[in-house]
Amino acid sequence: RKEVEQDPGPFNVPEGATVAFNCTYSNSASQSFFWYRQDCRKEPKLLMSVYSSGNEDGRFTAQLNRASQYISLLIRDSKLSDSATYLCVVNNNAGNMLTFGGGTRLMVKP
Amino acid sequence: GAGVSQSPSNKVTEKGKDVELRCDPISGHTALYWYRQSLGQGLEFLIYFQGNSAPDKSGLPSDRFSAERTGGSVSTLTIQRTQQEDSAVYLCASSSRQSTDTQYFGPGTRLTVL
Repeated sequence: RKEVEQDPGPFNVPEGATVAFNCTYSNSASQSFFWYRQDCRKEPKLLMSVYSSGNEDGRFTAQLNRASQYISLLIRDSKLSDSATYLCVVNNNAGNMLTFGGGTRLMVKP
Repeated sequence: GAGVSQSPSNKVTEKGKDVELRCDPISGHTALYWYRQSLGQGLEFLIYFQGNSAPDKSGLPSDRFSAERTGGSVSTLTIQRTQQEDSAVYLCASSSRQSTDTQYFGPGTRLTVL
């Protein structure tokens, strides 16, 4: 079983739609959680950290459920520019090495 | 300010040759990481440097892979006797001591082993 699992997609949605991505992690000792975004043939970039209380950044909302070892990302009012691969990332504090999920590909269409 | 830079951006080599990939982290960042991403795959951790501490080499896939970080700044990832399965994008990231969770990635080196 992979340490961080995501549905690879692709998710094809129209502009303006709301889309949700889910992620599960296997290491219950994991301490920090993130969503990174990776555009085609580009490097990953931090989108947002994920906190137990849930956090929101504009159209993006992230949630963490430690009991279920589950992380989610909600994107409201999707834009064409949101098209990318979204990477669920976990830091289990073992040397600050990040463990990446395989990514979920989002395609927003006009 | 300048971000993480990597060179070369692309490298094509023949099976059995050695290659060196370079990473210049963000100035002042004490932590440096190497990852690789195979086609259609997620990122795979390779090695981690933090200041003057011994590196965490737990992700290196074989003894053909090694990395150095000289003077606490620039790092070189060396792959000896390259194999076709080594073909991937090799990504370097750095982070500051104050915020080790936030890693900034370089553009990567795309390695193709023929």
